Amino acid sequence: AQSVTQLGSHVSVSEGALVLLRCNYSSSVPPYLFWYVQYPNQGLQLLLKYTTGATLVKGINGFEAEFKKSETSFHLTKPSAHMSDAAEYFCAVRGVGGGNKLTFGTGTQLKVEL
Amino acid sequence: GAVVSQHPSRVICKSGTSVKIECRSLDFQATTMFWYRQFPKQSLMLMATSNEGSKATYEQGVEKDKFLINHASLTLSTLTVTSAHPEDSSFYICSATWDRDVYGYTFGSGTRLTVV
Repeated sequence: AQSVTQLGSHVSVSEGALVLLRCNYSSSVPPYLFWYVQYPNQGLQLLLKYTTGATLVKGINGFEAEFKKSETSFHLTKPSAHMSDAAEYFCAVRGVGGGNKLTFGTGTQLKVEL
Repeated sequence: GAVVSQHPSRVICKSGTSVKIECRSLDFQATTMFWYRQFPKQSLMLMATSNEGSKATYEQGVEKDKFLINHASLTLSTLTVTSAHPEDSSFYICSATWDRDVYGYTFGSGTRLTVV
């Protein structure tokens, strides 16, 4: 079985500051990892995903994440936060052994302050 | 890009009635559709997985007779909440994948169900 843990249910940053949202995974097989963003009362929008190949993945809106097998991590970063980045962020894992289901972390609410 | 349309976005129903939520893939054929439930300030909980033309696979603890899922075509899946009660009030979200990109999960915009 696979799972993800998101450290920090709430993260607050100043506009222009670095954004770092943490995600650690547990999987007995090579994982496929995803980051999604959710705005209030909306569905999820894919930011980026790691399946195979390059471990540094670039996504939309300036976000990127690095797959680190040794640390079982897939942290999401953005060099400079913008007010529009305020939202809920979910890390998810899809394991080969688990079929094609996604397992989501508990989410991190990002607040961006002036 | 792949788009999933989910309707209605909001629905209020009386306790004891049934509500149907539709999820349509607009520009692709969805081989698999997923239905999630999300409580306020919480993560998404997978309720069931459905493949076109076959019965849905429900997650443990999800009442299949209360949450009826139909995936009759490659572009439409429906979730019917039968005999709804206030505790069924939640945000329901569908997601779909397609053969050309099995890692391309596309989500609907969600349905806010309130049972009064």
